[in-house]
This record gives sequence, C-alpha cells and structure tokens, in this order.
Amino acid sequence: DGGITQSPKYLFRKEGQNVTLSCEQNLNHDAMYWYRQDPGQGLRLIYYSQIVNDFQKGDIAEGYSVSREKKESFPLTVTSAQKNPTAFYLCASRDTGTEVYGYTFGSGTRLTVV
Amino acid sequence: GEDVEQSLFLSVREGDSSVINCTYTDSSSTYLYWYKQEPGAGLQLLTYIFSNMDMKQDQRLTVLLNKKDKHLSLRIADTQTGDSAIYFCAESGTGGFKTIFGAGTRLFVKA
Repeated sequence: DGGITQSPKYLFRKEGQNVTLSCEQNLNHDAMYWYRQDPGQGLRLIYYSQIVNDFQKGDIAEGYSVSREKKESFPLTVTSAQKNPTAFYLCASRDTGTEVYGYTFGSGTRLTVV
Repeated sequence: GEDVEQSLFLSVREGDSSVINCTYTDSSSTYLYWYKQEPGAGLQLLTYIFSNMDMKQDQRLTVLLNKKDKHLSLRIADTQTGDSAIYFCAESGTGGFKTIFGAGTRLFVKA
C-alpha cells in the first residue's frame, strides 16, 4: 500500500542535542512538507520541497534543517538552536500533477525534550 | 496575512447532526478542505470544495461554502462515536503550494 512513513513515533531529546526525524513516501509525490503541531494551534509550516534537491523555508524554519536528496525522502533535523522543540511533527506529501491539492499525511512523530 | 479560524470544541449526542464552522480571510482561496485527525495520528483528507461551488455532499458529509462571507461549514449527519476527532479547516490558492490550516475543532460525541 502506498503511503507516508514517519519514524520514530516517539523521540526524546536531551538539551543541546540534534535529532533527525525520518519521512519516507512511496506515492511518487513531488512535493513534501513538514509541519509542527502544538495543542490548540493550527499546523505551522516548517519547510517544504517541491522537487528533489530544492526546498524552501516555511513560517517557522529557525532551528530546523532539511534535505531532499531523493524523491522519496525528506528528513527533518531539529537542532539545538530550536529553543522549544517539544511538539508533534507531521510530514505530508502532495501530488502536484492533480487539480486537487490535498495532502497525504504521515502518522507523526512526538518529540519531547528531557 | 491569511488566516483560518474555527471554534475549538463541539459536543453532540450520538445520532444528531454536527455542524463545524470555519471562516477564512484570503479572498483568492481556490480550494477549501476538511481534514480529520484521530488521537495520536496524522491528518486524513475528508473532503474538499472548489471556490466556485456552493455545496458538496459525500455520504454523511455536507460542505457548504458562502464565498461572500468567506464561511465554510462541515455537516456530519447521524454522528457516531467514531466521528470523535479533531476536524481541521484549510484553504489554499491556485497551485496549492501553501495551505493554511485552522487550529482544529475537537468534536465530542456522547453516547
């Protein structure tokens, strides 16, 4: 079955550490996105990529980095510069060839700073 | 900038209809969406409507769009306990590269 796989489901980070969240899709979608979800708030866009080897900052990119070396993969690194990283992180992809621009989401990674 | 607003909570009895409302500010919105999020999971696209439509029905779901007032609603008929979730309203312009999400409405269904 096609879909998006995020791993791990739960992640714990110590102060000062960098951690990388994995996002893999087998939907052959060109566009991929990372969102952050905090309680009572909408999804906030961190980074997005419309094509391999290209990505753009979203609304809250500070303290995060991404790469897009393969169409299937869009990992997110939460660096030590991100002062409040505890949140639920969602990866999504979209088929840019269709008229309807709805996203397919992964099941998320919950990151907690300990 | 663009904004999408929705009430945070809604409680209904099983078997009743639920109506979740949303307002948006971007008059150039081309596509409007409703997503569902169950606990600990990602978002699932429920339905969508183009801005040139007034209504769309899909089984128990009815979407109404008032473009003049920039108001979108989602009606769930015969609400079941399995419908308990967070419902997100979202909008995007042509191209869809940037989608704006509301904060989500948490629907509680009482048996």
